Amino acid sequence: ETGVTQSPTHLIKTRGQQVTLRCSSQSGHNTVSWYQQALGQGPQFIFQYYREEENGRGNFPPRFSGLQFPNYSSELNVNALELDDSALYLCASSSQKRGSGNTIYFGEGSWLTVV
Amino acid sequence: QKEVEQNSGPLSVPEGAIASLNCTYSDRGSQSFFWYRQYSGKSPELIMFIYSNGDKEDGRFTAQLNKASQYVSLLIRDSQPSDSATYLCALGGYQKVTFGTGTKLQVIP
Repeated sequence: ETGVTQSPTHLIKTRGQQVTLRCSSQSGHNTVSWYQQALGQGPQFIFQYYREEENGRGNFPPRFSGLQFPNYSSELNVNALELDDSALYLCASSSQKRGSGNTIYFGEGSWLTVV
Repeated sequence: QKEVEQNSGPLSVPEGAIASLNCTYSDRGSQSFFWYRQYSGKSPELIMFIYSNGDKEDGRFTAQLNKASQYVSLLIRDSQPSDSATYLCALGGYQKVTFGTGTKLQVIP
């Protein structure tokens, strides 16, 4: 148990729809990152939020957006869903500090299927 | 060249043997390295992190780092069937962690 909770755990959406995934970070952690993991691949960095602002973004289009709230929880929104968006979406929390290599802890993930 | 490279496997070892999982990386400036274990259908779970050259041991697990060779490895001693999973090597950065595609380990009873 990492203390990172995500919801929903599974969902099915239709191509073109929009989806919101939610995450509560581990107590004491002020940074939330989102990753996408397609079948057979490693997790790919979508973006990171720190102090309610986006603090880095991976190679994902603007239809992937997010929010972080004052309590450090976060949302991932994906608009105009495509079939290739079907994946495991992972929320990870960490405690931001200077330098590199913040250790991240994943939640259980949200399985998204786009049909 | 991928940032983090791992052999996808599967790597099959008999129960009780030592499993050796390897990873190479391209960014010479990388400072922190992680190993995650991922069971089928589950999210990745942190096993170990290592920052300094040399070995770091935690129970049956030993992480080895050689920055000059840009090489990280994970040794699992006395492998158990419950160790069967995909092992993800990862590099830490200020904003993101970069993962390899993982090595699938099968421990044969």
